[in-house]
Amino acid sequence: DAGVIQSPRHEVTEMGQEVTLRCKPISGHDYLFWYRQTMMRGLELLIYFNNNVPIDDSGMPEDRFSAKMPNASFSTLKIQPSEPRDSAVYFCASSHTGTIYEQYFGPGTRLTVT
Amino acid sequence: KQEVTQIPAALSVPEGENLVLNCSFTDSAIYNLQWFRQDPGKGLTSLLLIQSSQREQTSGRLNASLDKSSGRSTLYIAASQPGDSATYLCAVKTGANNLFFGTGTRLTVIP
Repeated sequence: DAGVIQSPRHEVTEMGQEVTLRCKPISGHDYLFWYRQTMMRGLELLIYFNNNVPIDDSGMPEDRFSAKMPNASFSTLKIQPSEPRDSAVYFCASSHTGTIYEQYFGPGTRLTVT
Repeated sequence: KQEVTQIPAALSVPEGENLVLNCSFTDSAIYNLQWFRQDPGKGLTSLLLIQSSQREQTSGRLNASLDKSSGRSTLYIAASQPGDSATYLCAVKTGANNLFFGTGTRLTVIP
């Protein structure tokens, strides 16, 4: 298996632009997580899905952030409009309920908003 | 809310030394605890996962212990190597299927 795939790996955009981050979970995994990592706050959960349904989005910082999972093999995290304080590394992870809930992480997307 | 603390924040040791990384958490009602490794500019790699009913897990030169009642875990690395240099993160899983992460310990092993 190729593991969790994220794209793009790096994104540089100007303040006010829309940003879309993409994630392909490991095949067969039924949980998908979006995390954000910053120097100040470390790793924080933004939202997670189970069987494509959002379960907990309490970590989404504000209405500018939205996430979707239209099918079991694809998810997006959108920021509109983007702000410089959104600059961070965004990770996607997946896990399977049949195992011991071990989460597997993608390589991350480094977002820079200027 | 669960809070996870890792001490020290940074550690530098000569090659070959044995070392211990510490992790503490405030709420002992956890499902499991996971240790990850993160290399600069890369994602997280899972090293060990300890279920709440377990006391320790071992993988090669790594041994992780869990004392749920006191809210502590340690990661023991034997005979450290330069390739072990990375940031080590611990994370605890609560019933809400959420992982709460510590801020990590940055390890440097000097050849």
